[in-house]
Amino acid sequence: DAGITQSPRHKVTETGTPVTLRCHQTENHRYMYWYRQDPGHGLRLIHYSYGVKDTDKGEVSDGYSVSRSKTEDFLLTLESATSSQTSVYFCAISAGRVTDTQYFGPGTRLTVL
Amino acid sequence: GENVEQHPSTLSVQEGDSAVIKCTYSDSASNYFPWYKQELGKGPQLIIDIRSNVGEKKDQRIAVTLNKTAKHFSLHITETQPEDSAVYFCAASPYSGGGADGLTFGKGTHLIIQP
Repeated sequence: DAGITQSPRHKVTETGTPVTLRCHQTENHRYMYWYRQDPGHGLRLIHYSYGVKDTDKGEVSDGYSVSRSKTEDFLLTLESATSSQTSVYFCAISAGRVTDTQYFGPGTRLTVL
Repeated sequence: GENVEQHPSTLSVQEGDSAVIKCTYSDSASNYFPWYKQELGKGPQLIIDIRSNVGEKKDQRIAVTLNKTAKHFSLHITETQPEDSAVYFCAASPYSGGGADGLTFGKGTHLIIQP
């Protein structure tokens, strides 16, 4: 998976608790992305980063925040998890802007009870 | 923003036959169109992509065609094999214009290869 790891791979949590998902890359790529995947919706962009401390919102950013303090790490935080955030979360990386190939990590399956 | 429609949602073909998956997009400014294959429990993997200055691209049994006038592009898999069974996603690069970056994906096609 192009030097991308995600942790944890599976998580079950309760409504109202904070959750942080981590994406780690060893490719030194500038761009990193968080997507969620739901049946009937495909992949939807949550947030992305175009450099250390540089982030922006995607299509479905409400209820999520991100941080990138190092090139290799991109964190996704659910401040107060809700059942609607039950999903599979994928991190992706690319060397350049959107017209460069995006490589995806293995995903994190999050269940919010 | 960009909208990508993908059809069919499920496609079943006999092993050895060809499979075609079609996508349409809405934003004429889109200029990059990748296809991803996702196997169960794994992340999407890029299998082929095409840029707007090319009408067709081929890689062994896989080909992609692009019609910018009609705003549609298609994935063609010939001589299908059992290992081609997976979910396939098309995507298009949106016209950002200061808005969200990233790729806009279709909803996926579950390809089933019947032995």
